[in-house]
Amino acid sequence: EVQLLESGGGLVQPGGSLRLSCAASGFTFSSYTMSWVRQAPGKGLEWVSSVSGNGGSTYYADSVKGRFTISRDNSKNTLYLQMNSLRAEDTALYYCARGEEIVVVPADVWGQGTTVTVSS
Amino acid sequence: SYVLTQPPSVSVAPGKTARITCGGNNIGSKSVHWYQQKPGQAPVLVIYYDYDRPSGIPERFSGSNSGNTATLTISRVEAGDEADYYCQVWDSSSYVVFGGGTKLTVL
Repeated sequence: EVQLLESGGGLVQPGGSLRLSCAASGFTFSSYTMSWVRQAPGKGLEWVSSVSGNGGSTYYADSVKGRFTISRDNSKNTLYLQMNSLRAEDTALYYCARGEEIVVVPADVWGQGTTVTVSS
Repeated sequence: SYVLTQPPSVSVAPGKTARITCGGNNIGSKSVHWYQQKPGQAPVLVIYYDYDRPSGIPERFSGSNSGNTATLTISRVEAGDEADYYCQVWDSSSYVVFGGGTKLTVL
């Protein structure tokens, strides 16, 4: 069964850091682009970042550029999101999602998400 | 930056047809993907590349894309279709763009 399982969310103070992980199973992880998408409470979906299958290409939303870093370890079938200089507006449910082999979208598999709360 | 505009809400009676639009500058030249999200659940891809349906998605779901508007059409609407729907495109400058979402209410 194709599955994505996020972890690493939690409560962090403004200015703090957090690293999210997404463990993939049931497919050849290294063959697919992967993305992080977030959803603030009561709001719509917001794309955060994407990475190519080999990790060589990365893409970021303007709202997180310079603060967040996406990476992947294909030997561990795991996607990461390193979040630094966190702000209150980063509070959201963070989903990881699988794209296609070459292109980032569409995303056909999603995890259940991990919650990040930035508050003092 | 590229912007996708969706109506905040659409209401439809059971058995009727719902149409959810997604507006964007020359969106017809892009590939549009649609997601369904029910409360407390992760999004589910329902239409990709304008009109293709993933396996397991009912034929009642269809899509079209031309000019400045893409449309998700749900025929013979059922109570279980009540959800938020999001359109999405890839833009060379903005990368991944989501519409603001449309809440479909089944009356």
